[in-house]
Amino acid sequence: GEDVEQSLFLSVREGDSSVINCTYTDSSSTYLYWYKQEPGAGLQLLTYIFSNMDMKQDQRLTVLLNKKDKHLSLRIADTQTGDSAIYFCAESMEGNNRLAFGKGNQVVVIP
Amino acid sequence: DAGVTQSPTHLIKTRGQQVTLRCSPKSGHDTVSWYQQALGQGPQFIFQYYEEEERQRGNFPDRFSGHQFPNYSSELNVNALLLGDSALYLCASSVPRGDYGYTFGSGTRLTVV
Repeated sequence: GEDVEQSLFLSVREGDSSVINCTYTDSSSTYLYWYKQEPGAGLQLLTYIFSNMDMKQDQRLTVLLNKKDKHLSLRIADTQTGDSAIYFCAESMEGNNRLAFGKGNQVVVIP
Repeated sequence: DAGVTQSPTHLIKTRGQQVTLRCSPKSGHDTVSWYQQALGQGPQFIFQYYEEEERQRGNFPDRFSGHQFPNYSSELNVNALLLGDSALYLCASSVPRGDYGYTFGSGTRLTVV
């Protein structure tokens, strides 16, 4: 079944890099996603990676996928105060359009 | 181009009452999914509607039901509300093979007292 695990809290100084980690258990996952949720808001899709890829870079965001260990990470370069939010990883599977989310990582950026 | 819109934004109900939440999908999207996000947790999939039918369902009781209209908008109904139903309810729209095209609304914050 679907089970996504995330650690809970990360504090980072403005300008530094942030790395958020996620572990998933379902090896049949097709897509893996990173969503951002700011206080009082819905979920904003940041990036996604197809399961046959190892890495994807999109401006300040780098996603790394280790399929052997079922480990997904998101690196945010040059972290800004606007990056303070909760970050969720999620997975979906072929033929199944629903998303399974982790519990989220809260990132606090210190000016 | 409007994204996903949900109404109302906040709602307070009494235990045992019934509630209806509404969602209008993003233009061009015809599939609507509903998620429940309890405080401090990740969203949990409730169900998904496509072509006015429930296509998939998560592990939620029958008190949770839904509907999709011909214009693709959707309603989530919860009967016999429990205190534990207090949560942020998120609507997401996509195209049918929306493996990467989910767009979420800002949610409806439901408080059951």
